[in-house]
Amino acid sequence: ILNVEQSPQSLHVQEGDSTNFTCSFPSSNFYALHWYRWETAKSPEALFVMTLNGDEKKKGRISATLNTKEGYSYLYIKGSQPEDSATYLCALDSGGGADGLTFGKGTHLIIQP
Amino acid sequence: NAGVTQTPKFRILKIGQSMTLQCAQDMNHNYMYWYRQDPGMGLKLIYYSVGAGITDKGEVPNGYNVSRSTTEDFPLRLELAAPSQTSVYFCASSAFLNEQYFGPGTRLTVT
Repeated sequence: ILNVEQSPQSLHVQEGDSTNFTCSFPSSNFYALHWYRWETAKSPEALFVMTLNGDEKKKGRISATLNTKEGYSYLYIKGSQPEDSATYLCALDSGGGADGLTFGKGTHLIIQP
Repeated sequence: NAGVTQTPKFRILKIGQSMTLQCAQDMNHNYMYWYRQDPGMGLKLIYYSVGAGITDKGEVPNGYNVSRSTTEDFPLRLELAAPSQTSVYFCASSAFLNEQYFGPGTRLTVT
């Protein structure tokens, strides 16, 4: 069973501040690293799928980096807004999608006005 | 496009009852998945399918069965429901190496 770790487990951030959190994963059998945003009472929605070492992806104020050699990815949020409050999940694809994703437990982010 | 749909949204079962959770997608994705989400535990893979007629066990398959007779549908069957199966169930689909699209979830309580 693969182990995907996320830290911190939860995070309180003041509105307007920037923040980041970490996902670590075993670097063997790597196909892709996914990031999802999960709001309360909704379904997870994809933010990024990254496949190459050194990948950097950006969507608005949210960006992510990937290091497959050392097995970690960072998610950054610049200028946090209340609507950024959610749980952010990372997930490892070790089989090209053919055998599902292994999810971390998530980082629960709360933006305080 | 409706994306991924799941029915029912909520269900209460008595111990020992059976039910089928329905999942359908209209994106012509080959890959489909069932996950369960328990508090503090993250999403765990129950079963997955890479195409019609092909299914395989995930991390937590005990007490469940699936079938995939068409590309669109991937029902999850619970036989002899147990309290340990109280959870929120998510169905998802994807194309190869692409993001997964999740359904709205089914909240199941077994008492």
